[in-house]
Amino acid sequence: GAVVSQHPSWVICKSGTSVKIECRSLDFQATTMFWYRQFPKQSLMLMATSNEGSKATYEQGVEKDKFLINHASLTLSTLTVTSAHPEDSSFYICSAVSGGSSYEQYFGPGTRLTVT
Amino acid sequence: QKEVEQDPGPLSVPEGAIVSLNCTYSNSAFQYFMWYRQYSRKGPELLMYTYSSGNKEDGRFTAQVDKSSKYISLFIRDSQPSDSATYLCAMGGSGYSTLTFGKGTMLLVSP
Repeated sequence: GAVVSQHPSWVICKSGTSVKIECRSLDFQATTMFWYRQFPKQSLMLMATSNEGSKATYEQGVEKDKFLINHASLTLSTLTVTSAHPEDSSFYICSAVSGGSSYEQYFGPGTRLTVT
Repeated sequence: QKEVEQDPGPLSVPEGAIVSLNCTYSNSAFQYFMWYRQYSRKGPELLMYTYSSGNKEDGRFTAQVDKSSKYISLFIRDSQPSDSATYLCAMGGSGYSTLTFGKGTMLLVSP
């Protein structure tokens, strides 16, 4: 149980374009999902907390107008990287909370974004 | 001082060895402690979830929490090459709605 999927797993886009990444909880409902980015050999950096039906909460330093998050249903959250630049190239990972504790997070397989 | 400290490794051991992975932390508010395993280019996988102090065992894995020392450990018995991955500790607590992660320790188990 507690399976989280992400789509796409890998995407290449040109500088200036926008990319949408989907995060789905497959066998449970998730009122809260998190979005992280991870650079090579670095730990996870929390970008934002996504709650179903409300606006996302962004971490300090994360541009909310650049990284648009929509948690449209209890099983789907999307991250849109707008006007992507090469420095946005990274590994983006979502997680979803199953059950009552917000600490028991289950992660998706990640999306590798390369901006050329 | 960072909130969570974790030696990045790599830690290299032969197959069958007992592995000890550790994290230290500074925030006494942390009460929930997790260990995640992350294979290269994959998302983290939750291995162990412990609340407060004590030990928890699951198969070849044992998690220990010593809140008095602000020190947590993950032991892997009879390590296998398939255990080769990066192990991340993570913590949460009252007043924190999100997890704080360590940087991860890379483990290499050679056959």
